[in-house]
Amino acid sequence: QKEVEQDPGPLSVPEGAIVSLNCTYSNSAFQYFMWYRQYSRKGPELLMYTYSSGNKEDGRFTAQVDKSSKYISLFIRDSQPSDSATYLCAMSKGVGGSNYKLTFGKGTLLTVNP
Amino acid sequence: DVKVTQSSRYLVKRTGEKVFLECVQDMDHENMFWYRQDPGLGLRLIYFSYDVKMKEKGDIPEGYSVSREKKERFSLILESASTSQTSMYLCASSGFNPGNTGELFFGEGSRLTVL
Repeated sequence: QKEVEQDPGPLSVPEGAIVSLNCTYSNSAFQYFMWYRQYSRKGPELLMYTYSSGNKEDGRFTAQVDKSSKYISLFIRDSQPSDSATYLCAMSKGVGGSNYKLTFGKGTLLTVNP
Repeated sequence: DVKVTQSSRYLVKRTGEKVFLECVQDMDHENMFWYRQDPGLGLRLIYFSYDVKMKEKGDIPEGYSVSREKKERFSLILESASTSQTSMYLCASSGFNPGNTGELFFGEGSRLTVL
């Protein structure tokens, strides 16, 4: 079983739709959960960051972490064509020493159609 | 803003050539990383470094080496390039300043083609 599983898509939605992106993981030691967004031919950039279980909201984006189910989600409300990108989940066991090493999902390609 | 600069965006090399990929960050970050990204395989960690002159193998170190002589610079070396090393290479850095999230800051990537 892979440590982090993410549906690669591709996912195509109309503008204004609510988008749900998900990852599951197997290692209960993960405590820090992130979503990165990667535009075509660019490096990934951090979109959302969550520590342990719970929800975090930032504008149209909401990140959810359910540690009991080992499941994390990213919701995008009122999706825009500019949201078209690959979304990568990532997680780590800590922020010190080798615990900081991130484990990434393979990414989901999202296209938002005008 | 943190900036991670990779020296070359696109390279074309021949099998057997020695290849250097350079990465420089300007935020005094302790940690630096090299990943490769391939369709269907995602991001895979090659090597990382927590301090000058220190390095640790990632998940796929075979065929690669690294050098970190200065804190701001982390180089990836392909001693004898092979076609299987055709890929997008991404450098990243992070720091442990109090209050920060330890997020990775990525460069724009270096797309290497080995013929």
